Amino acid sequence: DAGVIQSPRHEVTEMGQEVTLRCKPISGHNSLFWYRQTMMRGLELLIYFNNNVPIDDSGMPEDRFSAKMPNASFSTLKIQPSEPRDSAVYFCASSLGGAGTGELFFGEGSRLTVL
Amino acid sequence: GEDVEQSLFLSVREGDSSVINCTYTDSSSTYLYWYKQEPGAGLQLLTYIFSNMDMKQDQRLTVLLNKKDKHLSLRIADTQTGDSAIYFCAWNYGQNFVFGPGTRLSVLP
Repeated sequence: DAGVIQSPRHEVTEMGQEVTLRCKPISGHNSLFWYRQTMMRGLELLIYFNNNVPIDDSGMPEDRFSAKMPNASFSTLKIQPSEPRDSAVYFCASSLGGAGTGELFFGEGSRLTVL
Repeated sequence: GEDVEQSLFLSVREGDSSVINCTYTDSSSTYLYWYKQEPGAGLQLLTYIFSNMDMKQDQRLTVLLNKKDKHLSLRIADTQTGDSAIYFCAWNYGQNFVFGPGTRLSVLP
């Protein structure tokens, strides 16, 4: 299996632009998570889905952030408009949900820089 | 809400043992985990322990769990330069996962 695939790996954009981050979870996994990592705040959970349904989006910073999971093999995280304080590494992770040890499998992350 | 404490930094000499500690608040988890993050990469599961166990050993790694004190530790024997990374304790909370702030381990030659 190729693991969790994220794109783009790096994005540099200007304040006010729309940013779309993409994630392909591991096939068969039914839970998907979006995290944000910064030096100041560490690893923060933004939102997670179970069977394509958003379960908890209380970590989404504000209305500028939105996430979708139209099917079991694809999710997007959108920031519109982007601001410099959104600069961070955004990770997508997937798991089998309640099955097994519940291990989370992380993608390699998307490093976002907003100028 | 959940609260987790970890020391932010740890430096050890190559060949010595490293001990990374974590205290947590939620006692209802089924599993507790240690994840490793190498520079420029995502987190990877290093090891885990079932909540009804006190200790788990896996080659150079030893995990100790004290449920009474809500304390989890990871011991790395014969620490190598390749062990330099950030280590996160974590546990499942319902369908969600809670991560600690991470401990940055530096291994000095």
